[in-house]
Amino acid sequence: NAGVTQTPKFRVLKTGQSMTLLCAQDMNHEYMYWYRQDPGMGLRLIHYSVGEGTTAKGEVPDGYNVSRLKKQNFLLGLESAAPSQTSVYFCASSPWRGIGNEQFFGPGTRLTVL
Amino acid sequence: DAKTTQPPSMDCAEGRAANLPCNHSTISGNEYVYWYRQIHSQGPQYIIHGLKNNETNEMASLIITEDRKSSTLILPHATLRDTAVYYCIVRVSTGGFKTIFGAGTRLFVKA
Repeated sequence: NAGVTQTPKFRVLKTGQSMTLLCAQDMNHEYMYWYRQDPGMGLRLIHYSVGEGTTAKGEVPDGYNVSRLKKQNFLLGLESAAPSQTSVYFCASSPWRGIGNEQFFGPGTRLTVL
Repeated sequence: DAKTTQPPSMDCAEGRAANLPCNHSTISGNEYVYWYRQIHSQGPQYIIHGLKNNETNEMASLIITEDRKSSTLILPHATLRDTAVYYCIVRVSTGGFKTIFGAGTRLFVKA
């Protein structure tokens, strides 16, 4: 199993450009998440999904949109990138077992907005 | 959701036990204690979790006080590869979307 994979690993954008980050998991997990991590800080939740076709806002959703058309994929979109969105983006997934439900993280996407 | 307090940094000698404390005095009865770590530039890695009993797995042990207001993560024989930021998180087991990553404890394992 590949676990959680993220595409791309690095990206540089100009202000105003758009892009989509792809997260894929092969563990048949119900829940998926997108976080951002700024230098020296902990992770902050952007959006999450509790199942195919459903999404919800997290702590810092402004400027981002998400979609979960397939259970294994969770897409994060930036419609008009801003320098404040320069960050490392992590995707995660977790199962639904009733208890535990630990999260599994991808390797991250390093995004720079000029 | 309960918040946690961790020391910003700790040192440990290689081969010795690393004991990482966490205070969570406002924890609710149905909230679990989770530990994750993040090795430089990588995604966080799950370590262990518990409700009220002490737990052990191949990576670490988790000791939770009887009143559940604090806990300690123990790495029994720390190696240089255990140098990382360790996050203590308190949440209900079904609330992955309620995982709040604070600043964590930066553990330096020294040779």
